[in-house]
Amino acid sequence: RKEVEQDPGPFNVPEGATVAFNCTYSNSASQSFFWYRQDCRKEPKLLMSVYSSGNEDGRFTAQLNRASQYISLLIRDSKLSDSATYLCVVNPSRYSSASKIIFGSGTRLSIRP
Amino acid sequence: DAGVIQSPRHEVTEMGQEVTLRCKPISGHNSLFWYRQTMMRGLELLIYFNNNVPIDDSGMPEDRFSAKMPNASFSTLKIQPSEPRDSAVYFCASSWTGTGDSNEQFFGPGTRLTVL
Repeated sequence: RKEVEQDPGPFNVPEGATVAFNCTYSNSASQSFFWYRQDCRKEPKLLMSVYSSGNEDGRFTAQLNRASQYISLLIRDSKLSDSATYLCVVNPSRYSSASKIIFGSGTRLSIRP
Repeated sequence: DAGVIQSPRHEVTEMGQEVTLRCKPISGHNSLFWYRQTMMRGLELLIYFNNNVPIDDSGMPEDRFSAKMPNASFSTLKIQPSEPRDSAVYFCASSWTGTGDSNEQFFGPGTRLTVL
């Protein structure tokens, strides 16, 4: 089983729609969680961290469910510019000095006009 | 501010040749990571350094791959000899790692390697 699993998509939704992705992780001791965004032929960039209480940044909401070992990303009122690959990222280590993080394979999102 | 700098941006070489990829991390960052990305396998961590010391190289595929970080501002990833299956985009990333949660990793633009 992969350490971090995502539905690869693609998700093809109309502009203005709400879309949600889930990501599951296998290591119950994982401490930190993130969503990164990667545009076509570009490098990944941090979109947002995911906190236990859930967090929101504008149209983006991230949730963590430790019991079921998944994190989610919700995008409201989607824009054409949201088209990208969204990478789920997990730090499996209990110790912050071990900075290794594991990337999921990404979920491709395409917003159509 | 300059981000992570990688060179070359593109490299086309023939099987059997030596390839050297270079990375300059963001000034002040103490952790450096080398990743490889392919369609089939996604983004894979090859090796990472903390304070110039290799911490985890379990992702390095084989002895043909080696990485060095002689100082805080420079790292290389070398493939010798290269093979067609090494064709991928190689990213370098850096971060500041201290106590607390993992900190954001900043990625360079990547080196797109093609081995013929």
